[in-house]
Amino acid sequence: KAGVTQTPRYLIKTRGQQVTLSCSPISGHRSVSWYQQTPGQGLQFLFEYFSETQRNKGNFPGRFSGRQFSNSRSEMNVSTLELGDSALYLCASSMGGWRGYETQYFGPGTRLLVL
Amino acid sequence: AQKVTQAQTEISVVEKEDVTLDCVYETRDTTYYLFWYKQPPSGELVFLIRRNSFDEQNEISGRYSWNFQKSTSSFNFTITASQVVDSAVYFCALSEAEGSQGNLIFGKGTKLSVKP
Repeated sequence: KAGVTQTPRYLIKTRGQQVTLSCSPISGHRSVSWYQQTPGQGLQFLFEYFSETQRNKGNFPGRFSGRQFSNSRSEMNVSTLELGDSALYLCASSMGGWRGYETQYFGPGTRLLVL
Repeated sequence: AQKVTQAQTEISVVEKEDVTLDCVYETRDTTYYLFWYKQPPSGELVFLIRRNSFDEQNEISGRYSWNFQKSTSSFNFTITASQVVDSAVYFCALSEAEGSQGNLIFGKGTKLSVKP
């Protein structure tokens, strides 16, 4: 089975711009979660989608949003970029059943640099 | 509140040495799951193991072993006869059945450097 794929792998933006990142889960997986990784804060949960619905959300401002499509692919969007949004954004997929129990499998990440 | 602590920020060993990575967690849930992930320089988090709160049996997989002790809220990871390819950042993570609604709570990670 192909793993989780994320596009693009690298991105450079300037402050104030917006960005959209894409994630394709493992075939058959219906849950997609997004995490932000920075040197200072470590790995932090952004949100999780299942069957096109956001089931859970982390403690991030409204500039961070996401969506999931009927084929389980997901996108996340960050509007009005700030320097502090520079990070590695990781997407993870799981089957989507009973939460907590399932193993999340991660993609290679999108490295975003905001100038 | 739920929390995962990896007190060792960086560890450096010489090839063939054994090394143990510590993980201490906090949770109020009685049902929870613990994970270890490996992050090589490429960035992708690679799943290593999952343990549920009801199973305290130690696990061994090749050179890797895990020691789960509920009494001390620890889930430590040992690499036996380390190799250069083991160099990576290792993350311990917690997932609660109820409290965090399934999202992973990560420790800050331990960077392991294995020198030839």
